[in-house]
Amino acid sequence: EAQVTQNPRYLITVTGKKLTVTCSQNMNHEYMSWYRQDPGLGLRQIYYSMNVEVTDKGDVPEGYKVSRKEKRNFPLILESPSPNQTSLYFCASGALPGLLVSYEQYFGPGTRLTVT
Amino acid sequence: RKEVEQDPGPFNVPEGATVAFNCTYSNSASQSFFWYRQDCRKEPKLLMSVYSSGNEDGRFTAQLNRASQYISLLIRDSKLSDSATYLCVVSRPNSGYSTLTFGKGTMLLVSP
Repeated sequence: EAQVTQNPRYLITVTGKKLTVTCSQNMNHEYMSWYRQDPGLGLRQIYYSMNVEVTDKGDVPEGYKVSRKEKRNFPLILESPSPNQTSLYFCASGALPGLLVSYEQYFGPGTRLTVT
Repeated sequence: RKEVEQDPGPFNVPEGATVAFNCTYSNSASQSFFWYRQDCRKEPKLLMSVYSSGNEDGRFTAQLNRASQYISLLIRDSKLSDSATYLCVVSRPNSGYSTLTFGKGTMLLVSP
């Protein structure tokens, strides 16, 4: 089954304790992305990756890191989480977008993170 | 003007009603347009792409007006299962590629 998986689905942690949210896709997509979703603010892009070893900042990258060592995996790293990073996080993948054209993105089930 | 703007709703409609959602976007260079559906606390899923000539998928009709930078979604004969948040999504050029900008969504509640 074609899918994007994320782990963990739920996480409660404390300020400053490093954490990693994993994301994996089995559709051989070049493009992967992380979003956070907050009430009243909608989905905002954190980081994205066009291919292995190619990553770039989205609209809200502060406090986050990513890596893309393999095509299928795109982990999100919070080196020192803070309460303002409490949010619902989605990983997504899709075909590589062109200069003007974008394609459907497939989303993982989400990770609900609470930082106290 | 915000990049992608939608009426947040909620839209409360009875079963069988026709409901229309509107969306405006600010970047005239945008070329790809989508409607996604998001159920409560779930991931967004593609409902339909929006093409220049307009397109229909069963009870759903999407239209694009490039001159006015406006996108619409019409749902006919609403079902209880249509209750969800509908996200307007627009591409924008970004550093040699295009990325997607998501609207904040319009919530639809269909009641018996």
